[in-house]
Amino acid sequence: DQQVKQNSPSLSVQEGRISILNCDYTNSMFDYFLWYKKYPAEGPTFLISISSIKDKNEDGRFTVFLNKSAKHLSLHIVPSQPGDSAVYFCAGRQGGSEKLVFGKGTKLTVNP
Amino acid sequence: KAGVTQTPRYLIKTRGQQVTLSCSPISGHRSVSWYQQTPGQGLQFLFEYFSETQRNKGNFPGRFSGRQFSNSRSEMNVSTLELGDSALYLCASSHTQGAGYGYTFGSGTRLTVV
Repeated sequence: DQQVKQNSPSLSVQEGRISILNCDYTNSMFDYFLWYKKYPAEGPTFLISISSIKDKNEDGRFTVFLNKSAKHLSLHIVPSQPGDSAVYFCAGRQGGSEKLVFGKGTKLTVNP
Repeated sequence: KAGVTQTPRYLIKTRGQQVTLSCSPISGHRSVSWYQQTPGQGLQFLFEYFSETQRNKGNFPGRFSGRQFSNSRSEMNVSTLELGDSALYLCASSHTQGAGYGYTFGSGTRLTVV
């Protein structure tokens, strides 16, 4: 049972435009959601998180939106830059634990 | 400050052998979690340690085990290696309530079983 789903394996956008990465979840017990960026052969790098009691969190070019009724969250990157090209993972944290459940990732390519 | 350090970076082992991987968390971080990343299954939670105690465990066979020392450094061990254990093994450390600040991952250990 895949509790966190990233249905788009890849996304390609032009530099300067908005990138929107989507994530759906099934587990209502997640208390936090996190987004990570990953390059090959490196560990994931934390980008931004959101508590399950919030609906938006913003940090510079990155904004995460949470729609609890739809069990959906999205990461917006504005403006997109070529250096943003990487695989992006969405993760939910199981409440009361430090366990993260990851989606399978979306590969973002930002074209100059 | 230093990040999460995992050693070794690369390992090649033969089926049936056992392996030990090491993780040094960020200074002051007491929670250490381990994840396995494979192309087919993505990132999967193995286990989490806090103050030398395993608090959570993922759905992996008993061949996968770990421990944490009093200085928060952690090791994971895989016994009787199988070809399917070939993966990138990642360690993450955090403060007790670190979700809002993320979990910091190391660069991982790439294990190849031949």
